[in-house]
Amino acid sequence: KAGVTQTPRYLIKTRGQQVTLSCSPISGHRSVSWYQQTPGQGLQFLFEYFSETQRNKGNFPGRFSGRQFSNSRSEMNVSTLELGDSALYLCASSLMFTGVDTEAFFGQGTRLTVV
Amino acid sequence: DQQVKQNSPSLSVQEGRISILNCDYTNSMFDYFLWYKKYPAEGPTFLISISSIKDKNEDGRFTVFLNKSAKHLSLHIVPSQPGDSAVYFCAASGSQGNLIFGKGTKLSVKP
Repeated sequence: KAGVTQTPRYLIKTRGQQVTLSCSPISGHRSVSWYQQTPGQGLQFLFEYFSETQRNKGNFPGRFSGRQFSNSRSEMNVSTLELGDSALYLCASSLMFTGVDTEAFFGQGTRLTVV
Repeated sequence: DQQVKQNSPSLSVQEGRISILNCDYTNSMFDYFLWYKKYPAEGPTFLISISSIKDKNEDGRFTVFLNKSAKHLSLHIVPSQPGDSAVYFCAASGSQGNLIFGKGTKLSVKP
């Protein structure tokens, strides 16, 4: 069974640009969550999608957005990139939406560097 | 305001001994807790979880203890092995969904 796949693995962008990251969940999983990891901050929740609907959103500015497609694949978009957006972006998939006694499985992440 | 806290950024343990990683939380509505392990350049890997209706869950060398009155949980690894060296994240989940993570504890197991 294939795991969670995130593309691309590494990305370098310039301030002011926008970026789109992709996540393919484990087959059969309907929930996809996105997290940002920066040094010293742990994993901070961005948003969660379940059956193409955003269920939950973390405390991030509107420049961060996402969507989920009918095949459960998800994309995350960051517009007007800032230097502080440099981070490891992790996607996690789970069978049901989180909070229902179900663990989330993570992809390897996309390392975004903004210069 | 951190709802899940891992107060020890790092822990060093001798191979074969017990590793104890601690986690505190503030929200009494959390009903499910998880531990993840993360190696550099990889995503976190699920280790073990515990529901709030239990106070202990065991899986091989890993045991998680939950003390609801103290809002505290701990992960015990016995015996510790060098391959256990990684960053360990504690996470909590409430009925609203999404996992809230601590900042992690870096465990180093010395041979």
